[in-house]
Amino acid sequence: DTAVSQTPKYLVTQMGNDKSIKCEQNLGHDTMYWYKQDSKKFLKIMFSYNNKELIINETVPNRFSPKSPDKAHLNLHINSLELGDSAVYFCASSQDVSNQPQHFGDGTRLSIL
Amino acid sequence: EDQVTQSPEALRLQEGESSSLNCSYTVSGLRGLFWYRQDPGKGPEFLFTLYSAGEEKEKERLKATLTKKESFLHITAPKPEDSATYLCAVQGSNDYKLSFGAGTTVTVRA
Repeated sequence: DTAVSQTPKYLVTQMGNDKSIKCEQNLGHDTMYWYKQDSKKFLKIMFSYNNKELIINETVPNRFSPKSPDKAHLNLHINSLELGDSAVYFCASSQDVSNQPQHFGDGTRLSIL
Repeated sequence: EDQVTQSPEALRLQEGESSSLNCSYTVSGLRGLFWYRQDPGKGPEFLFTLYSAGEEKEKERLKATLTKKESFLHITAPKPEDSATYLCAVQGSNDYKLSFGAGTTVTVRA
């Protein structure tokens, strides 16, 4: 069973479109995250939810909006996609917010044409 | 702001040739230092958590150590399947986010 799963795995779309990425974890964790990995492979935190409450909100354009319908799901909606949004987006989860290892999905590769 | 610097950027090893990767960090109160392995096209896979200076963790050919300023990941007698990018991350006491280094890409030749 996949612990942290993301869909879709690949997303190719035009500039200006709106798209969503879905994430689900079956580990029973309380905390979920979205990361962006750029072309230089640098992983940077975007958002984190703990028990459906937003606890980390880094300097991210407000075109990016996370939504957590329940503890097992954290989705990412992106409006008005721009060329610079091309990257790999990773979802992760951990038991709680502090000291706990995060478990990652395999990423969604977003390409903007 | 927490900072993590990993060196070298890339490491090419012959099978059986042991080596070490470095992770230097600055953080306000360390909650934990984490090592991950990332294979191409995959998400980071958790390896170790270290919480305090002097702590060591081992898993197969990998051993992680921690001081107050840096951590080392030692790879003993590596095999080609140890080829991957190794990421280091810290969590400080100011907030709950993980700050990652840029990684060290290890290639082990048979």
